[in-house]
Amino acid sequence: EAQVTQNPRYLITVTGKKLTVTCSQNMNHEYMSWYRQDPGLGLRQIYYSMNVEVTDKGDVPEGYKVSRKEKRNFPLILESPSPNQTSLYFCASSHVGAEAFFGQGTRLTVV
Amino acid sequence: AQTVTQSQPEMSVQEAETVTLSCTYDTSESDYYLFWYKQPPSRQMILVIRQEAYKQQNATENRFSVNFQKAAKSFSLKISDSQLGDAAMYFCAYRSAVEAGNNRKLIWGLGTSLAVNP
Repeated sequence: EAQVTQNPRYLITVTGKKLTVTCSQNMNHEYMSWYRQDPGLGLRQIYYSMNVEVTDKGDVPEGYKVSRKEKRNFPLILESPSPNQTSLYFCASSHVGAEAFFGQGTRLTVV
Repeated sequence: AQTVTQSQPEMSVQEAETVTLSCTYDTSESDYYLFWYKQPPSRQMILVIRQEAYKQQNATENRFSVNFQKAAKSFSLKISDSQLGDAAMYFCAYRSAVEAGNNRKLIWGLGTSLAVNP
């Protein structure tokens, strides 16, 4: 089954404690991205990757890092989370001329 | 820069009735894609329907259809025979058809919350 797998689904952490949200897709898509969803602000892109070892900032990259060492994986790293990073996060992947496939979402709370 | 506007934050419909959700967008591009995504309480983002701008024919998927007016930059979603399971947040999204750079980024509206009344 074609899918994007994102983990964990829920995470509560404390300010400053490094965390990683994993994302993996099995469709051999070259393009992957991370979005955060906040009430009243909609979905905003954090980072994207055009292919292995090719990543770049989206609209709201501050406080986040990503890596793309393998085509299927695109983890999101928060090295020192802060409360303003409390949000719903989505990983997505897409192929040429096609719609984006989304992971299940990660509800992150930073206290 | 492209923008997407959904002017109806909330809507409601009676079960088995028809409802239309509105979406307008702004772009200077001639070739692009438009999507409607559904986000139920589970928070999963589910593709409902897609439309290629170069196609004049409106897309249809079972009970879901769109009214794509390219000149007016309008892309409304019609849900026929509404069911309780259609209750969700619906997002309109735009994507450039140019396959370069970050053009696969989705530009999102703020969503319309649809309630279905039994």
